[in-house]
Amino acid sequence: DQQVKQNSPSLSVQEGRISILNCDYTNSMFDYFLWYKKYPAEGPTFLISISSIKDKNEDGRFTVFLNKSAKHLSLHIVPSQPGDSAVYFCAASSSDSNYQLIWGAGTKLIIKP
Amino acid sequence: GAVVSQHPSRVICKSGTSVKIECRSLDFQATTMFWYRQFPKQSLMLMATSNEGSKATYEQGVEKDKFLINHASLTLSTLTVTSAHPEDSSFYICSAPRLAGGPDTQYFGPGTRLTVL
Repeated sequence: DQQVKQNSPSLSVQEGRISILNCDYTNSMFDYFLWYKKYPAEGPTFLISISSIKDKNEDGRFTVFLNKSAKHLSLHIVPSQPGDSAVYFCAASSSDSNYQLIWGAGTKLIIKP
Repeated sequence: GAVVSQHPSRVICKSGTSVKIECRSLDFQATTMFWYRQFPKQSLMLMATSNEGSKATYEQGVEKDKFLINHASLTLSTLTVTSAHPEDSSFYICSAPRLAGGPDTQYFGPGTRLTVL
């Protein structure tokens, strides 16, 4: 039973446009959500996170939106740049989980020049 | 710079041999480290939680006698794949959260590509 789902295995976006990556979750106990970026043969790197008490968090070109009622979050990247091409993972945790992260399957983002 | 290192980055071994992978936190202490496995085009699968000074906690379906974990110090955890078989070939990643940090202070190592012939 996948608790964190990323239903789009890949996404192709023109350079300069907005990239929107989506993530759904089923466990209402999750109270912290994170996005990681991963290049092949490397470990994930943290991008941005959001606590369940917020509905938006912004950091430069990256914004994460959280809709708790829909159990849905999204990562917006604008403007998209070629260096953004990577696999993006959504992860979730609950405050009593000792920092264990539950991961989505990832979405491969391809930025076209 | 990297705050969590893994060694080796790549290893090729024969079936039946054992392989040890090290995970080190470089500038902070970690009482807990996580070991993940990633199959091609799939998500990261948590294998086990390594606890300094006590036994590791394994996820359901992960054989603890096959994947031996030792958290020797506050900066080092090791994963030993015993009697490796071709199906153990995978990308293994460790992570370590900073003490008293939140979930986004979990730092990942660069991963180890294991190929069992």
